[in-house]
Amino acid sequence: DTEVTQTPKHLVMGMTNKKSLKCEQHMGHRAMYWYKQKAKKPPELMFVYSYEKLSINESVPSRFSPECPNSSLLNLHLHALQPEDSALYLCASSPRDREYSNQPQHFGDGTRLSIL
Amino acid sequence: AQSVAQPEDQVNVAEGNPLTVKCTYSVSGNPYLFWYVQYPNRGLQFLLKYITGDNLVKGSYGFEAEFNKSQTSFHLKKPSALVSDSALYFCAVRDVSGGSNYKLTFGKGTLLTVNP
Repeated sequence: DTEVTQTPKHLVMGMTNKKSLKCEQHMGHRAMYWYKQKAKKPPELMFVYSYEKLSINESVPSRFSPECPNSSLLNLHLHALQPEDSALYLCASSPRDREYSNQPQHFGDGTRLSIL
Repeated sequence: AQSVAQPEDQVNVAEGNPLTVKCTYSVSGNPYLFWYVQYPNRGLQFLLKYITGDNLVKGSYGFEAEFNKSQTSFHLKKPSALVSDSALYFCAVRDVSGGSNYKLTFGKGTLLTVNP
């Protein structure tokens, strides 16, 4: 069992829909990450939150909107997505970001997103 | 800029034989190095890391990796492969001194198949 929980596991949405992905961890980690992963490719970093503040946005299109309501939760709000956005979206957490960069990131099992 | 190379897209070994998955890296400073494994329909699982000290690092599930600074390599090894080791393996690097904004850079991945 993973210590980072992502819901839903699967999501199918149309290009005009609005949906949200959720991520939760109870390890006391203060850094949380969103990654996008295409099949058999490495994860691509999208966003980093450190102490509930957005610290890195990897030039992600505005149709993806992250939110960190508290230290345990991370959301990714989706709106007007394109077919090329279909992918596995992974959430990860680590104790800190920069201060403890020798610590591994812990990943959830992801949300498999399909855009019709 | 930092980078990771996994020169083999795929590695096939027979069950019971030793396995090696290769990784070389490039960073401007000293590296933190990580290996992750991804099973089908799962997130990435942390296997082991090199931070400093002993060049031979032991990790989960009987895996180990050897850090070689002169060859800038961090190859993953296991003395006796199991069919259940079949998965996608990612090597990743972080710059100790904060290069690339402390981001974790992944290799492209190596698909390991262990044949019965």
